[in-house]
Amino acid sequence: DAKTTQPTSMDCAEGRAANLPCNHSTISGNEYVYWYRQIHSQGPQYIIHGLKNNETNEMASLIITEDRKSSTLILPHATLRDTAVYYCIVRVAGGNQGGKLIFGQGTELSVKP
Amino acid sequence: GAVVSQHPSWVICKSGTSVKIECRSLDFQATTMFWYRQFPKQSLMLMATSNEGSKATYEQGVEKDKFLINHASLTLSTLTVTSAHPEDSSFYICSATPIAGELFFGEGSRLTVL
Repeated sequence: DAKTTQPTSMDCAEGRAANLPCNHSTISGNEYVYWYRQIHSQGPQYIIHGLKNNETNEMASLIITEDRKSSTLILPHATLRDTAVYYCIVRVAGGNQGGKLIFGQGTELSVKP
Repeated sequence: GAVVSQHPSWVICKSGTSVKIECRSLDFQATTMFWYRQFPKQSLMLMATSNEGSKATYEQGVEKDKFLINHASLTLSTLTVTSAHPEDSSFYICSATPIAGELFFGEGSRLTVL
């Protein structure tokens, strides 16, 4: 079973920030929080990952709570092309077993004009 | 950046035939690759772990004789769906990780069995 829970769907207005929550209350100390997204009929695309500090890159920001039991992915200015299913996954970084991902159902984000 | 490529992107075949899908890591070596299957409106489900030079490890409920995996080199893993039937129609996705690095996904291969 997936170790994360996410809302099934969310809507966001174009140009506004999209905040996608994720609960991972059973995360282990050596597990990172990863976010991927999947646009229809494509392979998952890496967005961002973090261990305990907040992270930011050109695509998004990741806010991880101090107890690491939940996190929020922030798309600062959502566009129509950000419409996708977003997956929050906890995994051990690197190594052979680090690639063995257990996907939950993800959040279907719809960005509307 | 690192790229994982799958071929073919889509394939249509008749029931009873076998179909081979290739997964290549284009600019890194991968001792381990992973194969996922995704049915419409569902999430990705891990099928098996492909290990270079040794047998693949299959997840519970995945038939190893049905889904043959070969990982003959550090840049290529193949998934062969043998004696395909309509219920095998799905989106097959591979992923690969450099020896000690990040995880990258292929573009996916859509199989339709008539």
